[in-house]
Formats: sequence, structure tokens, C-alpha cells
Amino acid sequence: DAGVTQSPTHLIKTRGQQVTLRCSPKSGHDTVSWYQQALGQGPQFIFQYYEEEERQRGNFPDRFSGHQFPNYSSELNVNALLLGDSALYLCASSFSAVQETQYFGPGTRLLVL
Amino acid sequence: EDQVTQSPEALRLQEGESSSLNCSYTVSGLRGLFWYRQDPGKGPEFLFTLYSAGEEKEKERLKATLTKKESFLHITAPKPEDSATYLCAVQASGTNAGKSTFGDGTTLTVKP
Repeated sequence: DAGVTQSPTHLIKTRGQQVTLRCSPKSGHDTVSWYQQALGQGPQFIFQYYEEEERQRGNFPDRFSGHQFPNYSSELNVNALLLGDSALYLCASSFSAVQETQYFGPGTRLLVL
Repeated sequence: EDQVTQSPEALRLQEGESSSLNCSYTVSGLRGLFWYRQDPGKGPEFLFTLYSAGEEKEKERLKATLTKKESFLHITAPKPEDSATYLCAVQASGTNAGKSTFGDGTTLTVKP
């Protein structure tokens, strides 16, 4: 049973560029959440997708957007990258109907130069 | 606004020296409190979910407990492989359901 997978594992971009990160949820899960984790800090909630719609959103600007596909996989898009966007981006999946527990992927390390 | 505070920030133990990690929280209606373990450069690994005050859960050398204001992660006779950052998170019920708020973690180092 495959767990949560994310791609790519590492990414280097320059300021002003755009980036797309991808996530496949754990088998049987239908809900995907995205988090940003700066070094030495806990994960910060970006947004959550369920039934291909954004269900919850944290305190992140509109530069951060997402999408969920019919197979429950998801993308995180960040436009106009800033140096401060450098972080570990984590995807977590859950089966929203019966459980709140989220299972995390390995993350994508983004470096903005 | 939901808040989670973990203490201490860092904890150094000798192998076999038991201790506890603290997670204090404020949330408008607790839907669940979660403990995760995170190794450097990796995603958090799920440990426990607690739902109501008085609940306890155990896994190997770890035991998590919950009160109305805080949770403790007790580590009994730790081994060097228990070294990691331990994260606590809460989810609220109601309109914020599904939005997890994390603390900044406790970094545990266990020396042989």
C-alpha cells in the first residue's frame, strides 16, 4: 500500500518565477492538505482540497493556489516566488468522512534564490 | 485563533532516562489532538490521535495523554533511535474543521 507521494523532492527557482508541486494521496484517501514548513518551525496550513474544491484556507496570499484532480491527486502552485517562500512543502492526506488523522508525504524542498 | 505551544524546545536525555514533552493548546472546540515524529528533512510520521480529556494511547516506549488544556508525550527508557523532533497539532471542530494548527516541536536527542 503506497503512502503519500510528492514530486519533485528538491527544486531550485529564482525570485519571480512560478512553481508547481505535486502530491498523490495514500490509497483510499480523498482529502489533501498542503503545509509550508520553514526551518526550525512547525508546519503552517496552506489549504485543503476535498471533492476537487478548496474547503479550508490558511493565512497565505493568493499567490498560493491549488487544484485537486478526479483521482484525488493534487497540485500546489506558487506564483511570483519570493525568497521567503523557501521551505519544505508538505502534502498530507486523510479520509475525511471517518477520520481526521492526516498522513504526510516526504515533502518537496524548495529553494528560491 | 487556535494556538499550540510545545515545551521544552530541545531536550537531551541519556539512554534509559525517562521524561515528558508538553503540548499546551487553545482551540475553539477540539476535534482531535495529534502527535507526530519528524526526522530531519523528512515528512512528519503519525504517532497518535487523542479526542477527549482523560484519553491515553501507547506505542512501544511512547505514551500520550490529554487534558482539557494540554497533552503530554511520555517517553519511557528512551533509545538513541528515538531522537527526532516531536510535533503536536490540533484540529478544531465547526467552521475550521480540517485545518490543523501545529506547534514548533520539541527536538529530542538521546545519547547512548
